[in-house]
Amino acid sequence: GESVGLHLPTLSVQEGDNSIINCAYSNSASDYFIWYKQESGKGPQFIIDIRSNMDKRQGQRVTVLLNKTVKHLSLQIAATQPGDSAVYFCAETYGGSQGNLIFGKGTKLSVKP
Amino acid sequence: DAGVIQSPRHEVTEMGQEVTLRCKPISGHNSLFWYRQTMMRGLELLIYFNNNVPIDDSGMPEDRFSAKMPNASFSTLKIQPSEPRDSAVYFCASSLAGGNTGELFFGEGSRLTVL
Repeated sequence: GESVGLHLPTLSVQEGDNSIINCAYSNSASDYFIWYKQESGKGPQFIIDIRSNMDKRQGQRVTVLLNKTVKHLSLQIAATQPGDSAVYFCAETYGGSQGNLIFGKGTKLSVKP
Repeated sequence: DAGVIQSPRHEVTEMGQEVTLRCKPISGHNSLFWYRQTMMRGLELLIYFNNNVPIDDSGMPEDRFSAKMPNASFSTLKIQPSEPRDSAVYFCASSLAGGNTGELFFGEGSRLTVL
């Protein structure tokens, strides 16, 4: 789920299908990871987080998976709805510091009705 | 809850003019962050405050940028003089230090266009 230049990676799914958004993080020392959702014209909104001592965490319709071996994070959205259309960002930090929060470039999810 | 309130939502100005962006954090939050978002660079942290004190301003691009937090309920980000490359969406976020580490509450942003 990392972007290059002006183009965000885009994932297009049919309403009702499951979505998987991927993210490669950069810092092997990062111990805390977060997914944010940003709808058009709005600020990012916290979805779910996971600490490095876990490899899976579930929320309402969302699951985050963490693979520290390959520094990979994914967000799974079950039964995707049109309201899920947004740009999704992964973020990483270490040492519990919000000031060290580093955001990825984002993936755009488009849900077709 | 009113959430984080930013103003103005949109600003169009000419190169060389001073720009002041404003932020009112969520009441009770003691950390405040200024981010800049562009398509090329994504979300970048400019500066953050804890208990009204600037902690890290290493993300501030250059001396043309300055930020203040005179009290717990107000912060400003000033650009003087502005340049076209400053065009971006500027977000303010607040949080409760010691709370959920990753949960920053963002405002709706101030979209700046410098001509």
